[in-house]
Amino acid sequence: AAGVIQSPRHLIKEKRETATLKCYPIPRHDTVYWYQQGPGQDPQFLISFYEKMQSDKGSIPDRFSAQQFSDYHSELNMSSLELGDSALYFCASSLRLWGASTRYGYTFGSGTRLTVV
Amino acid sequence: QKEVEQNSGPLSVPEGAIASLNCTYSDRGSQSFFWYRQYSGKSPELIMFIYSNGDKEDGRFTAQLNKASQYVSLLIRDSQPSDSATYLCAVNMRNAGNMLTFGGGTRLMVKP
Repeated sequence: AAGVIQSPRHLIKEKRETATLKCYPIPRHDTVYWYQQGPGQDPQFLISFYEKMQSDKGSIPDRFSAQQFSDYHSELNMSSLELGDSALYFCASSLRLWGASTRYGYTFGSGTRLTVV
Repeated sequence: QKEVEQNSGPLSVPEGAIASLNCTYSDRGSQSFFWYRQYSGKSPELIMFIYSNGDKEDGRFTAQLNKASQYVSLLIRDSQPSDSATYLCAVNMRNAGNMLTFGGGTRLMVKP
């Protein structure tokens, strides 16, 4: 079965550079979520999109922005990178229709490991 | 106080024993509860979900929910070394839309 695809798997950037992470949800899933997980930390919710519109917003820094495109893939854009941005970034997707996501949870991608040096 | 709390562990159990993982949450109106397993450096993998009081069994896993006491637990029977991982409790809270709030996770170590 198709899963959530994230790219790249690994990314190394210098301070103050920009980075773009991509996420391709499971086909027919209408909701995408972005989470940040620092070393030894639990996943922290950043932002979500439902049907290409921003749905919920969490602890996403102003330096970050995200969008969902017409083909439902999503991109997380990160500017003015700081050392503290080094983390695993997970994308997850779900089907919101009929409350499926609140009943069955969502599926995570393999993540992008961002290292800022 | 975090909205979803878990003992960080590590919880160490011998192979074949029952591992018991607990999670408490602050929002009494929370609706759905999930257990994810996460191996180091890997993405969380959904292993159980529950939204009604009582027990739900799936193979070696049993989720238990007590909404009155605001806790949810995960029992792993016949624990195997391959069960060694961090177990994340996630809660869909009232008025949170579709967002899940995660606990800090409990690290489980199953010793052969």
